[in-house]
Amino acid sequence: QSVLTQPPSASGTPGQRVTISCSGSSSNIGSNYIYWFQQLPGTAPKLLIYNNNERPSGVPDRFSGSKSGTSASLAISGLRSEDEADYYCEAWDDSLSGHVVFGGGTKLTVL
Amino acid sequence: QLQLQESGPGPVKPSETLSLTCTVSGGSISGSPYYWGWIRQPPGKGLEWIVSIYYTGSTYYNPSLKSRVAISVDSSKNQFSLKLTSVTVADTAVYYCASGSVAGLFDPWGQGTLVTVSS
Repeated sequence: QSVLTQPPSASGTPGQRVTISCSGSSSNIGSNYIYWFQQLPGTAPKLLIYNNNERPSGVPDRFSGSKSGTSASLAISGLRSEDEADYYCEAWDDSLSGHVVFGGGTKLTVL
Repeated sequence: QLQLQESGPGPVKPSETLSLTCTVSGGSISGSPYYWGWIRQPPGKGLEWIVSIYYTGSTYYNPSLKSRVAISVDSSKNQFSLKLTSVTVADTAVYYCASGSVAGLFDPWGQGTLVTVSS
């Protein structure tokens, strides 16, 4: 069972806006940055969002992140077929001398 | 730009020690104020962080794996390594190495290497 909670699946049609939630606690999301990763089938995860809402160079502005309290969200607007992938949230947790925690992942299906 | 590549000896038998190495190119592993870490992914499952080490030597462990994990840095070879002792079939996974300028930030990642634990 993951420390950060994500819905196991999400779906949308091309052009739609989809959001994926990530719920944590005061020791992780509540006090540290949230990161989002995209994992296409058979490939290594790729950083999608850092510092809650920043996009690395090359990531389309269709992807956006937000955080409020102990929860965070990833939004994908103008959904495209190539967005079909697994998405993971991650944060530093201050408890137990500090460690990294991941969400269980959300499989996004583009219908 | 940093690039990471995992390497390892192949299949591991239960109760043995899993050893992996991550070779860093495009930057110095000792001179850069980076975190160097290992993450794994069992087949069909999610990501699990294992351990990270800062360039100063400070080390951070997954509490559930701490008793079996060791991480080390070889500056002369620009590599860092993972050792996981007393493995079981549950340790079968794709193992990724990754780096980041902040604890918890992983970018870039290696391509990953599948380690199978089987008798």
